[in-house]
Amino acid sequence: NAGVMQNPRHLVRRRGQEARLRCSPMKGHSHVYWYRQLPEEGLKFMVYLQKENIIDESGMPKERFSAEFPKEGPSILRIQQVVRGDSAAYFCASSPGAVYGYTFGSGTRLTVV
Amino acid sequence: GENVEQHPSTLSVQEGDSAVIKCTYSDSASNYFPWYKQELGKGPQLIIDIRSNVGEKKDQRIAVTLNKTAKHFSLHITETQPEDSAVYFCAADPGAGSYQLTFGKGTKLSVIP
Repeated sequence: NAGVMQNPRHLVRRRGQEARLRCSPMKGHSHVYWYRQLPEEGLKFMVYLQKENIIDESGMPKERFSAEFPKEGPSILRIQQVVRGDSAAYFCASSPGAVYGYTFGSGTRLTVV
Repeated sequence: GENVEQHPSTLSVQEGDSAVIKCTYSDSASNYFPWYKQELGKGPQLIIDIRSNVGEKKDQRIAVTLNKTAKHFSLHITETQPEDSAVYFCAADPGAGSYQLTFGKGTKLSVIP
């Protein structure tokens, strides 16, 4: 039973480009959470999604960031017109329902040059 | 919103000694307190958690204690081993049915053989 799969593991983008981060939850999990981790910092909540629904996006920046979790396929975190300050590790977690103890993936490390 | 403070930021112990990491939280509505271990280049891994109706929980060499009155909780690792070396994060939920977590900034634990 594969864990939470994130890809790519590393992503380099030039300022102004778009970044797309993918997250495939564990089998049987229908709830996905995205967190961002800056160097030497803890994780910061961004968004909580269920299939086809955004449940809580209170941690998402108001502009340039969006997330989706379609009926089929992985969850996508999309960052438009990236800036240097977007450089961070982005982690996805999943759970089988609205419960705690969710499982994190290995993350995508985004570098904006 | 919830604020979680974690101390110390770094901790070095001799192999076989005990390690204690402490966290305080601000929101009295919080009722779920997990601890995560993050190894270099990997995602956070849940190692133990505690809910507000319990004062202490133990799992082999790891224990967590919670003082709701003082709003603090601690992680205790006994008989430390080199493989315990990692960054440890505490977290708390904001209560009110939200499933996002607020994380501390982490403690880098080094176990010296």
